[in-house]
Amino acid sequence: AQSVAQPEDQVNVAEGNPLTVKCTYSVSGNPYLFWYVQYPNRGLQFLLKYITGDNLVKGSYGFEAEFNKSQTSFHLKKPSALVSDSALYFCAVSPWGAAGNKLTFGGGTRVLVKP
Amino acid sequence: EPEVTQTPSHQVTQMGQEVILRCVPISNHLYFYWYRQILGQKVEFLVSFYNNEISEKSEIFDDQFSVERPDGSNFTLKIRSTKLEDSAMYFCASTPAGASYEQYFGPGTRLTVT
Repeated sequence: AQSVAQPEDQVNVAEGNPLTVKCTYSVSGNPYLFWYVQYPNRGLQFLLKYITGDNLVKGSYGFEAEFNKSQTSFHLKKPSALVSDSALYFCAVSPWGAAGNKLTFGGGTRVLVKP
Repeated sequence: EPEVTQTPSHQVTQMGQEVILRCVPISNHLYFYWYRQILGQKVEFLVSFYNNEISEKSEIFDDQFSVERPDGSNFTLKIRSTKLEDSAMYFCASTPAGASYEQYFGPGTRLTVT
């Protein structure tokens, strides 16, 4: 069975400071890893993914994430946070294989960026 | 940019009633999913659908639930006899063919069972 852990319920950061949201995963075989963001009263918006290749992946809105196989982690980062980055962030994992596999989500981390 | 759409945005129903939640996936996508998020909890997988049949379903997706793609555009989730614990946000998602893998989510339908 696959699982995702997001150890922090909330992350507070000052605008302009670096932002990190942590994620660790467990899956049989190689993982497909994803980050999604949810704004109030909105659906889940895809940010970035790791499928294969370079461990550092870049996504939308200046976000990036680093895949670390030995630590089974996929932390989300942004060098300089904006107030508009305040939202709920979800990490998700899917087992390696064909498209169409289900996503297993972590519990989410609320990010609050203060001016 | 194409988006997944869902209707209604909010559905209130009485316990024991049937509800149908509707989704229009992105037009060239081939894989379709339903997830739910009970308030304050994780997003949970319900079911995946491909080539007009269920690919995988979770233990939540019991006989009270069904899915259908009645035409070339709509994808529906039916709950036959709603329970209080079915109150949640229900998300539809879709994935294109090929090696994209990411799922594109709709805005959700908030189901409230009273």
